[in-house]
Parts: sequence; C-alpha cells; structure tokens
Amino acid sequence: DAEITQSPRHKITETGRQVTLACHQTWNHNNMFWYRQDLGHGLRLIHYSYGVQDTNKGEVSDGYSVSRSNTEDLPLTLESAASSQTSVYFCASRETGENSPLHFGNGTRLTVT
Amino acid sequence: GNSVTQMEGPVTLSEEAFLTINCTYTATGYPSLFWYVQYPGEGLQLLLKATKADDKGSNKGFEATYRKETTSFHLEKGSVQVSDSAVYFCALSGWTGNQFYFGTGTSLTVIP
Repeated sequence: DAEITQSPRHKITETGRQVTLACHQTWNHNNMFWYRQDLGHGLRLIHYSYGVQDTNKGEVSDGYSVSRSNTEDLPLTLESAASSQTSVYFCASRETGENSPLHFGNGTRLTVT
Repeated sequence: GNSVTQMEGPVTLSEEAFLTINCTYTATGYPSLFWYVQYPGEGLQLLLKATKADDKGSNKGFEATYRKETTSFHLEKGSVQVSDSAVYFCALSGWTGNQFYFGTGTSLTVIP
C-alpha cells in the first residue's frame, strides 16, 4: 500500500541548531505539504510543493525551508531552531484536483530546548 | 476567501449517545468537503468526503451531508463507541489551487 513516512518520529534538539525532518511518499503525488500542529492553533501550513523544483511559502514559513529534488521526498529544514518551533510536524500529499483527499504521515514531534 | 469554522470542544459523550459536530464553511466556487479523524499519536486520516451539493459522505457509521444553502457539513453518528474518542477536523478543498483549509478540530471523548 502507498504511504507517507516521516522520520524521525521524535526529535530533541537545542536552540540554534539546524534540523531536517524527512518526508517520503510512495503515492507518486505531485503535491506535498508541511503542516505544524499546536494546541489552540490547529493545523498551520508551513511550505508546499506542486512538483519537482517547485516550492512555496505557507502561512508560517519564517525559519523553515524545503527543497524538492524528486517526486517522493520533501524534507523540511529548520535553519536555526527556536523554542517557538517546538511542535508536531505533519507531512501530507495529494493528487491534483479539488476532489482529492490529503494523505498524512504519522508526524514528527520536535522539541527545541 | 476560503475558511472553515468548526464547533468548539471538547465534547464528552456516554457510549451509545448521538453525536453531532457542527462545521460551516466559506468558499468561492464549489469546494469539496472532508472530515478527518486523528487518534492520539497518529496523523490525520480521511473519514469521509462529499464533492458536490447534497452529497452524503459516510464511513464507519459517521455521516455528513454537503448543504450548500446553509454552507454546512455537520458530522453525525447515531451511537458512539469508546473507540471513537479522537479529534475530528472539518476541511475543504478550494475550487482553485491545491490547498486544504482546516477547522481547528473538535476533541471527542466517549466514556463507557
């Protein structure tokens, strides 16, 4: 079965360090998304990509970057981790078209100390 | 613009009670509507969807009807179980672009 795999599942890092969260999907979807989930804020879009070499900023992109070198992977990098970036991060993908659902990974819980 | 407003939680029900979680939306054009469920420690899973007005989505005893006249997509279940305890998200997919718009989620706890 197709799936989205996120790694690591849990990560603890220190303020100021660079951190990369991996996302790999086997759906062969062009569209991939990164969200963060925080109590009281629901899901907020960080970055998204509509295909290889395409990346776009979401509503909370400051301090984050992504790159898309192939269809399967969209790694999320925190350039210099801050305590405000402690959160649960979800990667998702979907086919093109408004009827297509989003498929989610199981998330990465990141703690910045 | 597009947005989703979802009933505030948390909601606590006894087993076998009737469940309604309200969801209303604002959208241009003709969006598709979705309900997702999130169990503890997991990602969001698609529960059901409806792609046009008057469509009814259903899955695992849950139902929701796409009401264009009231811009609503309320989630219902006739008899909840303890295993239904989770967070439920209403979402829409816009007419243009490839983005989803989520409600803030409603936490449901079902007690035996």
